[in-house]
Amino acid sequence: QVQLVQSGAEVKKPGTSVKPSCKETGYTLTHYYIHWVRQAPGQGLEWMGKINPSGRVTDHAQKFQGRVTMTWDTSTTTAFMELSSLRSEDTAIYYCAILARTTATDFWGRGTLVTVSS
Amino acid sequence: QTVVTQEPSLTVSPGGTVTLTCASNTEPVTSGHYPNWFQQKPGQPPRALIYSTSSKHSWTPARFSGSLLGGKAALTLSDVQPEDEADYYCLLYSGGAYVFGTGTKVSVL
Repeated sequence: QVQLVQSGAEVKKPGTSVKPSCKETGYTLTHYYIHWVRQAPGQGLEWMGKINPSGRVTDHAQKFQGRVTMTWDTSTTTAFMELSSLRSEDTAIYYCAILARTTATDFWGRGTLVTVSS
Repeated sequence: QTVVTQEPSLTVSPGGTVTLTCASNTEPVTSGHYPNWFQQKPGQPPRALIYSTSSKHSWTPARFSGSLLGGKAALTLSDVQPEDEADYYCLLYSGGAYVFGTGTKVSVL
């Protein structure tokens, strides 16, 4: 049973950083990616990036260049996504997911609400 | 910067058929973009319906189908049911990165 358990809601001030986590259990394949997707209130889905736990390979959307860092902790099978220089427009639910291009792979966490407010 | 555009909203009658499309501003959508389609209902994470253009997940109702249509990815809902009312998003792959479409709100009236 694959589960992605995400950390709790956070409130941050503009200019600071946030680092939600995503603990993965039960996924048995070795080559896969954990994706980060966000959704601002009342808005659509936005792909932020992905990390391959086995090779630590990452890709991210150009929009987040210089602001996002994705990491993986093997000892706890937990993915982290750090977003820096926060602004009010970063207020959103941040989801982690295991997705694949060519196989029936679709697992999502429940999301972490990040609120950026002074 | 790739922008993927979908119809903002569509309305369909129960039992009817509706087709949603997904277009890229940089090039025609092909199977090489591995189009995925997701359904999202209020307060829930998205759930995949279609992967790799037209393949279905085990939970995908038979009335949903994916295809390529005139340079776009397409999701067709046939014999629409009230529970199909939701937001639908496509996801395209390109050069290691992905882009979600702008989303389509489907209303069943």
